[in-house]
Amino acid sequence: EAQVTQNPRYLITVTGKKLTVTCSQNMNHEYMSWYRQDPGLGLRQIYYSMNVEVTDKGDVPEGYKVSRKEKRNFPLILESPSPNQTSLYFCASSLWGRGNSNQPQHFGDGTRLSIL
Amino acid sequence: LAKTTQPISMDSYEGQEVNITCSHNNIATNDYITWYQQFPSQGPRFIIQGYKTKVTNEVASLFIPADRKSSTLSLPRVSLSDTAVYYCLVGAYNSGNTPLVFGKGTRLSVIA
Repeated sequence: EAQVTQNPRYLITVTGKKLTVTCSQNMNHEYMSWYRQDPGLGLRQIYYSMNVEVTDKGDVPEGYKVSRKEKRNFPLILESPSPNQTSLYFCASSLWGRGNSNQPQHFGDGTRLSIL
Repeated sequence: LAKTTQPISMDSYEGQEVNITCSHNNIATNDYITWYQQFPSQGPRFIIQGYKTKVTNEVASLFIPADRKSSTLSLPRVSLSDTAVYYCLVGAYNSGNTPLVFGKGTRLSVIA
């Protein structure tokens, strides 16, 4: 089954304790992206990647890091989490590249982070 | 970045047609318009995408005027299961280093 898998689904942690949210897709997609969703603000893009070793900042990248060492994985890293990063996070992937422009994104089921 | 504006919420009775409009005044030449549906505790799900004029699939239609500064998602004969948040997204995946910008979403409530 084609899917985007995020882990963990829920996490409560404390300020300053480094954490990583993993994202994996099994569709051989080039494009992967992270979003955060907050009440009244909709979905905001944090980082995106158009292929292995290629990452770019989205709208709200401050306080986050990503890496794309393999095509299927795109982890989101919070080096020193703070309470304002408490949010619902979504990973997404899609085909990208010549001949595949604007393919719809496939989203994971979300990771709810609470930073105390 | 192409900023989008949508109504915050809409109510409809079952069986009615629902039209949700998204404004995107500074849409770029390469940008496509994509709509997603999101249920609680789930990730958004693709509904429909278009570039200009009208696009129709098995669940919805998308109307885009010639100036492309707005778009309207049309859901025919909604049911209770269509209660969800609908997002408009404007962007071009092949435009290089350009983030994608979602609207804040329209919460549709379908009433029996």
